[in-house]
Amino acid sequence: KAGVTQTPRYLIKTRGQQVTLSCSPISGHRSVSWYQQTPGQGLQFLFEYFSETQRNKGNFPGRFSGRQFSNSRSEMNVSTLELGDSALYLCASSLGVREDLYNEQFFGPGTRLTVL
Amino acid sequence: AQTVTQSQPEMSVQEAETVTLSCTYDTSENNYYLFWYKQPPSRQMILVIRQEAYKQQNATENRFSVNFQKAAKSFSLKISDSQLGDTAMYFCAFMKKGSGGSNYKLTFGKGTLLTVNP
Repeated sequence: KAGVTQTPRYLIKTRGQQVTLSCSPISGHRSVSWYQQTPGQGLQFLFEYFSETQRNKGNFPGRFSGRQFSNSRSEMNVSTLELGDSALYLCASSLGVREDLYNEQFFGPGTRLTVL
Repeated sequence: AQTVTQSQPEMSVQEAETVTLSCTYDTSENNYYLFWYKQPPSRQMILVIRQEAYKQQNATENRFSVNFQKAAKSFSLKISDSQLGDTAMYFCAFMKKGSGGSNYKLTFGKGTLLTVNP
């Protein structure tokens, strides 16, 4: 089974631009979560999607948004980029069913975003 | 809100020796999971070991074991017979067990960079 894939792997943007990152989950997984990883703040939860619906959201400004498609692929968008948005963006997928059971999250390799 | 604290930013160990990484957490929840994740240099984050809060028995996965002290809110990772491939950033993480997507929100510590020396 193919793992979680993220595209692009590296991205350079300038302040004020917007960016879209993509995440393809493991086949059969319906939940996709996004995390931001920076040296200063560490790993922070952005949001989680299941069946095209956002179920949970972290403490990020509205410039950060996401969506999920019917095939469970997810995209996240950052508008009006700031220097502080430079980070490794990780997505993780899981089966997302039976909330009374543990659903392991599998992480992708990440997209390294640099904002100049 | 939950917090996870890893007080050791960096550690090193000699190959074949044992090392323990510390983690403390704070939560008012009663049902939750605790994890140790490993992030090797320029490679994907992978799950090392998981502990369910209601289980008193400490989890073990081959050379990796945890010491879970629920009352003290402590969750340390012991790596036995350290190998060069264990060199990585290790993250302690917390996840509430619940509904509405809360099962999928991981709260991470800042990480401990472990270097295994030959």
